[in-house]
Amino acid sequence: DTGVSQDPRHKITKRGQNVTFRCDPISEHNRLYWYRQTLGQGPEFLTYFQNEAQLEKSRLLSDRFSAERPKGSFSTLEIQRTEQGDSAMYLCASSLEGDYGYTFGSGTRLTVV
Amino acid sequence: ELKVEQNPLFLSMQEGKNYTIYCNYSTTSDRLYWYRQDPGKSLESLFVLLSNGAVKQEGRLMASLDTKARLSTLHITAAVHDLSATYFCAVDRLETSGSRLTFGEGTQLTVNP
Repeated sequence: DTGVSQDPRHKITKRGQNVTFRCDPISEHNRLYWYRQTLGQGPEFLTYFQNEAQLEKSRLLSDRFSAERPKGSFSTLEIQRTEQGDSAMYLCASSLEGDYGYTFGSGTRLTVV
Repeated sequence: ELKVEQNPLFLSMQEGKNYTIYCNYSTTSDRLYWYRQDPGKSLESLFVLLSNGAVKQEGRLMASLDTKARLSTLHITAAVHDLSATYFCAVDRLETSGSRLTFGEGTQLTVNP
């Protein structure tokens, strides 16, 4: 297992366009998290899945954001009608229920121009 | 709402010197984590502290946890340039729906020769 994979690594998009990111967690991990990190700040929690169920969403996750984990394996995070304020690093992490370790992916850096 | 505060936010030190980074959190938590992040990279797990009085050491870094004071420290001994990075503490609190990390703002450490 190569850890948590995120794709793409970088995305530049024009304001108003839609973007979608993918996260492939460690295969035996049933929990998957999305975080957003802006420059000079710590990561902020966005949403969390246990298997295919989305159990928690942050107030940061406006209605332009949607996340799915259809088969309890990979997850997608879509941002509709992107705004310049959406520019950030989007980090995915996974963990195993009952374990205390989190493994983070390399992130997707989004730049909205 | 759980808040995590780190200080200092910026630290410039000379090689060979010792220093401590502090992490305070506002409510009871279940676990405390320290991560390292290099520019443009993801988060590398350094330590997980599980109980009051826990102390862990790896190389020139030592982390401790005082749950009564809601304080964790990351002590750097005889700093070397390779330790230059941003260090985050994060607190994990079990909720009824699962667990998630709340991060501090990070401490940007620069070790000068």
